[in-house]
Amino acid sequence: DPKIIQKPKYLVAVTGSEKILICEQYLGHNAMYWYRQSAKKPLEFMFSYSYQKLMDNQTASSRFQPQSSKKNHLDLQITALKPDDSATYFCASSQEPAVNTEVFFGKGTRLTVV
Amino acid sequence: GQQVQQSPASLVLQEGENAELQCNFSTSLNSMQWFYQRPGGSLVSLFYNPSGTKHSGRLTSTTVIKERRSSLHISSSQTTDSGTYLCASGSWQLIFGSGTQLTVMP
Repeated sequence: DPKIIQKPKYLVAVTGSEKILICEQYLGHNAMYWYRQSAKKPLEFMFSYSYQKLMDNQTASSRFQPQSSKKNHLDLQITALKPDDSATYFCASSQEPAVNTEVFFGKGTRLTVV
Repeated sequence: GQQVQQSPASLVLQEGENAELQCNFSTSLNSMQWFYQRPGGSLVSLFYNPSGTKHSGRLTSTTVIKERRSSLHISSSQTTDSGTYLCASGSWQLIFGSGTQLTVMP
Protein backbone atom coordinates (compact mmCIF):
# COMPACT_ATOMS: atom_id res chain seq x y z
CA ASP A 1 0.00 0.00 0.00
CA PRO A 2 1.38 3.40 -0.86
CA LYS A 3 2.09 5.42 2.26
CA ILE A 4 2.37 8.76 0.47
CA ILE A 5 -0.65 9.40 -1.72
CA GLN A 6 -0.56 12.01 -4.44
CA LYS A 7 -3.59 13.03 -6.46
CA PRO A 8 -4.17 13.23 -9.31
CA LYS A 9 -1.61 11.04 -11.03
CA TYR A 10 -1.93 13.00 -14.28
CA LEU A 11 -3.18 16.54 -14.79
CA VAL A 12 -3.64 18.65 -17.91
CA ALA A 13 -4.24 22.35 -17.41
CA VAL A 14 -4.77 25.37 -19.61
CA THR A 15 -2.30 28.26 -19.49
CA GLY A 16 -3.44 30.84 -16.97
CA SER A 17 -5.55 28.46 -14.91
CA GLU A 18 -5.06 27.34 -11.32
CA LYS A 19 -4.60 23.81 -10.00
CA ILE A 20 -4.10 22.11 -6.65
CA LEU A 21 -1.92 19.05 -6.25
CA ILE A 22 -2.88 16.86 -3.31
CA CYS A 23 -0.52 15.01 -0.99
CA GLU A 24 -1.26 12.92 2.10
CA GLN A 25 1.21 10.79 4.03
CA TYR A 26 0.40 7.94 6.40
CA LEU A 27 3.88 7.36 7.78
CA GLY A 28 3.35 9.49 10.86
CA HIS A 29 6.10 11.84 9.70
CA ASN A 30 6.50 15.40 10.93
CA ALA A 31 8.21 16.88 7.88
CA MET A 32 6.85 17.09 4.34
CA TYR A 33 8.34 18.39 1.10
CA TRP A 34 7.63 19.18 -2.52
CA TYR A 35 10.11 18.45 -5.29
CA ARG A 36 9.81 19.06 -9.02
CA GLN A 37 11.27 17.21 -11.98
CA SER A 38 11.12 19.04 -15.29
CA ALA A 39 11.97 17.35 -18.57
CA LYS A 40 15.64 16.30 -18.70
CA LYS A 41 16.48 18.10 -15.44
CA PRO A 42 17.37 16.67 -12.04
CA LEU A 43 14.79 16.59 -9.32
CA GLU A 44 14.85 19.90 -7.50
CA PHE A 45 13.70 20.88 -4.04
CA MET A 46 10.81 23.35 -3.76
CA PHE A 47 9.47 23.54 -0.18
CA SER A 48 9.82 21.94 3.20
CA TYR A 49 7.27 21.98 6.02
CA SER A 50 7.72 20.85 9.58
CA TYR A 51 4.81 20.53 12.00
CA GLN A 52 2.72 22.43 9.42
CA LYS A 53 5.09 25.38 9.32
CA LEU A 54 7.13 26.46 6.31
CA MET A 55 10.81 25.73 6.90
CA ASP A 56 12.41 26.42 3.54
CA ASN A 57 11.28 27.80 0.20
CA GLN A 58 13.51 27.46 -2.85
CA THR A 59 10.82 28.44 -5.33
CA ALA A 60 11.29 31.89 -6.79
CA SER A 61 7.71 32.33 -7.91
CA SER A 62 4.86 33.22 -5.55
CA ARG A 63 2.54 31.36 -7.93
CA PHE A 64 3.48 28.21 -6.03
CA GLN A 65 1.84 28.08 -2.61
CA PRO A 66 1.94 25.03 -0.32
CA GLN A 67 -1.06 24.50 1.91
CA SER A 68 -1.10 22.34 5.04
CA SER A 69 -4.56 21.82 6.53
CA LYS A 70 -3.46 18.83 8.63
CA LYS A 71 -0.14 17.54 9.85
CA ASN A 72 -0.13 14.73 7.27
CA HIS A 73 -1.32 16.90 4.36
CA LEU A 74 0.73 19.19 2.17
CA ASP A 75 -1.04 20.34 -0.96
CA LEU A 76 0.52 22.53 -3.64
CA GLN A 77 -1.52 25.31 -5.21
CA ILE A 78 -0.22 26.65 -8.52
CA THR A 79 -1.81 29.78 -9.97
CA ALA A 80 -1.51 31.47 -13.37
CA LEU A 81 -0.10 28.28 -14.87
CA LYS A 82 2.51 28.51 -17.60
CA PRO A 83 3.76 25.87 -20.05
CA ASP A 84 7.14 25.97 -18.25
CA ASP A 85 5.37 24.65 -15.15
CA SER A 86 4.92 21.32 -16.92
CA ALA A 87 6.76 18.78 -14.81
CA THR A 88 6.29 15.89 -12.45
CA TYR A 89 5.74 17.11 -8.90
CA PHE A 90 6.78 14.79 -6.10
CA CYS A 91 5.63 15.00 -2.52
CA ALA A 92 7.95 13.56 0.12
CA SER A 93 8.17 13.17 3.87
CA SER A 94 10.61 12.32 6.63
CA GLN A 95 10.32 11.54 10.31
CA GLU A 96 11.90 14.84 11.31
CA PRO A 97 13.17 17.81 9.29
CA ALA A 98 16.69 17.06 10.40
CA VAL A 99 19.95 16.49 8.68
CA ASN A 100 20.68 12.82 8.04
CA THR A 101 17.16 11.51 7.85
CA GLU A 102 15.69 9.22 5.23
CA VAL A 103 13.22 10.85 2.87
CA PHE A 104 10.32 8.94 1.32
CA PHE A 105 8.65 9.95 -1.93
CA GLY A 106 5.18 9.66 -3.41
CA LYS A 107 4.61 8.49 -6.97
CA GLY A 108 4.26 12.00 -8.33
CA THR A 109 1.72 14.09 -10.21
CA ARG A 110 2.56 14.69 -13.85
CA LEU A 111 1.35 18.15 -14.81
CA THR A 112 1.09 19.27 -18.42
CA VAL A 113 0.21 22.88 -19.14
CA VAL A 114 -1.09 23.54 -22.65
CA GLY B 1 27.44 25.64 -4.39
CA GLN B 2 26.09 22.32 -3.31
CA GLN B 3 26.60 19.67 -5.96
CA VAL B 4 25.92 16.00 -6.60
CA GLN B 5 27.57 14.42 -9.61
CA GLN B 6 26.78 10.98 -10.96
CA SER B 7 28.70 8.81 -13.36
CA PRO B 8 28.40 7.34 -15.84
CA ALA B 9 25.49 9.18 -17.42
CA SER B 10 24.48 6.01 -19.23
CA LEU B 11 25.48 2.38 -19.13
CA VAL B 12 24.60 -0.58 -21.33
CA LEU B 13 25.17 -4.10 -20.05
CA GLN B 14 24.49 -7.64 -21.11
CA GLU B 15 22.32 -9.56 -18.73
CA GLY B 16 24.44 -11.14 -16.03
CA GLU B 17 27.12 -8.45 -16.01
CA ASN B 18 27.82 -6.30 -12.97
CA ALA B 19 27.37 -2.53 -12.76
CA GLU B 20 29.11 0.09 -10.65
CA LEU B 21 27.46 3.50 -10.37
CA GLN B 22 29.23 6.43 -8.77
CA CYS B 23 28.07 9.50 -6.93
CA ASN B 24 30.26 12.38 -5.70
CA PHE B 25 28.93 15.12 -3.48
CA SER B 26 30.21 18.42 -2.17
CA THR B 27 31.52 19.04 1.31
CA SER B 28 28.43 20.78 2.66
CA LEU B 29 26.21 17.74 2.13
CA ASN B 30 25.86 14.86 4.56
CA SER B 31 23.18 12.24 3.98
CA MET B 32 23.10 9.87 1.01
CA GLN B 33 20.19 8.09 -0.60
CA TRP B 34 19.94 5.99 -3.74
CA PHE B 35 16.73 5.75 -5.75
CA TYR B 36 15.54 3.82 -8.76
CA GLN B 37 13.26 5.80 -11.03
CA ARG B 38 10.89 3.60 -13.00
CA PRO B 39 10.27 4.36 -16.68
CA GLY B 40 6.89 5.73 -15.65
CA GLY B 41 8.62 8.22 -13.34
CA SER B 42 7.90 6.94 -9.83
CA LEU B 43 10.77 6.75 -7.36
CA VAL B 44 11.75 3.64 -5.45
CA SER B 45 14.06 4.12 -2.48
CA LEU B 46 16.94 1.66 -2.66
CA PHE B 47 19.22 2.73 0.17
CA TYR B 48 19.53 5.35 2.84
CA ASN B 49 23.24 5.11 3.48
CA PRO B 50 25.01 8.11 5.02
CA SER B 51 28.13 6.02 5.67
CA GLY B 52 29.44 2.48 5.38
CA THR B 53 28.16 -0.43 3.33
CA LYS B 54 24.64 -1.78 3.00
CA HIS B 55 23.31 -4.76 1.09
CA SER B 56 19.92 -5.59 -0.35
CA GLY B 57 19.70 -8.65 -2.57
CA ARG B 58 21.89 -8.03 -5.60
CA LEU B 59 22.47 -4.40 -4.65
CA THR B 60 25.27 -2.99 -2.50
CA SER B 61 25.74 0.63 -1.51
CA THR B 62 29.01 1.95 -0.11
CA THR B 63 29.42 5.51 1.14
CA VAL B 64 32.81 6.92 2.17
CA ILE B 65 31.84 10.21 3.73
CA LYS B 66 35.44 11.48 4.14
CA GLU B 67 35.98 11.10 0.41
CA ARG B 68 32.57 12.58 -0.43
CA ARG B 69 31.57 9.62 -2.57
CA SER B 70 29.07 6.81 -2.72
CA SER B 71 28.69 3.86 -5.06
CA LEU B 72 25.89 1.50 -6.03
CA HIS B 73 26.91 -1.96 -7.16
CA ILE B 74 24.46 -4.17 -9.05
CA SER B 75 25.55 -7.76 -9.41
CA SER B 76 24.28 -10.24 -12.02
CA SER B 77 22.19 -7.59 -13.76
CA GLN B 78 18.76 -8.47 -15.14
CA THR B 79 16.68 -6.82 -17.84
CA THR B 80 14.28 -5.65 -15.15
CA ASP B 81 17.09 -3.55 -13.64
CA SER B 82 16.84 -1.20 -16.61
CA GLY B 83 15.90 2.34 -15.68
CA THR B 84 17.37 5.45 -14.11
CA TYR B 85 19.34 5.36 -10.88
CA LEU B 86 19.51 8.55 -8.86
CA CYS B 87 21.65 9.48 -5.92
CA ALA B 88 20.76 12.33 -3.62
CA SER B 89 22.66 14.00 -0.84
CA GLY B 90 21.54 16.69 1.48
CA SER B 91 21.59 18.76 4.53
CA TRP B 92 18.12 20.22 5.14
CA GLN B 93 17.02 19.28 1.62
CA LEU B 94 18.04 16.61 -0.87
CA ILE B 95 20.18 17.58 -3.84
CA PHE B 96 19.80 15.09 -6.67
CA GLY B 97 22.30 14.01 -9.27
CA SER B 98 21.39 13.86 -12.94
CA GLY B 99 21.12 10.08 -12.83
CA THR B 100 22.59 7.04 -14.55
CA GLN B 101 20.46 5.55 -17.31
CA LEU B 102 21.01 1.79 -17.15
CA THR B 103 20.01 -0.52 -19.99
CA VAL B 104 20.40 -4.26 -19.53
CA MET B 105 20.18 -6.22 -22.76
CA PRO B 106 18.90 -9.82 -22.82
